[in-house]
Amino acid sequence: QVQLQESGPGLAKPSETLSLTCTVSGGSVSSYYWSWIRQPPGKGLEWIGYVYYSGSTNYKSSLKSRVTISLDTSKNQFSLKLNSVTAADTAVYYCARHSGATKTFDIWGQGTMVTVSS
Amino acid sequence: QSALTQPPSASGSPGQSVTISCTGTSSDVGGYNYVSWYQQHPGKAPKLMIYEVTKRPSGVPDRFSGSKSGNTASLTVSGLQAEDEADYYCSSYAGSNNFDVFGTGTKVTVL
Repeated sequence: QVQLQESGPGLAKPSETLSLTCTVSGGSVSSYYWSWIRQPPGKGLEWIGYVYYSGSTNYKSSLKSRVTISLDTSKNQFSLKLNSVTAADTAVYYCARHSGATKTFDIWGQGTMVTVSS
Repeated sequence: QSALTQPPSASGSPGQSVTISCTGTSSDVGGYNYVSWYQQHPGKAPKLMIYEVTKRPSGVPDRFSGSKSGNTASLTVSGLQAEDEADYYCSSYAGSNNFDVFGTGTKVTVL
């Protein structure tokens, strides 16, 4: 059974870079789209972007200039880097598997809270 | 890409049914049969309840059903139970560039 687990600092300073890693266990990173999704406190879900198993990426247009998502197949991990963060980037960050066939996020990590504050 | 529109809240008594709408455009909900619904309990990750408009993953009770007409999708929860009290989010595939867009979320209360 595939499981996802986010890891990384829970605090980031304004203007710096937020970095998170998602470890995939119980399966391979092949053949799926691996996404990051965030949820500000008390608000809804926002898709940030994905990395495909081939290494290709796609990002939400409003975040594109600040986001990098990468894949490390040797470690079965994928990562998120969001630079020039502000308080508006404070959120629970989820990693999720997106099935290209059914076009749905079928497996989610438990989420990790990241607070942007000096 | 704008968020899909959902009512902020919905409620029903145990045993009753509640239906949540999810309105998009012809570029997302209306353009593809790839609408999903997620259930989120407080402090927990979202859980997939419906995909491809009407399909239920293994383990999801058949009390949960989905439908779509034009640019609006709907989730119906029949025979409401206390554990159904949660936030529900729809999402829709929106093409290869925009990929996926979520709804604004609906809080379901079991009275």
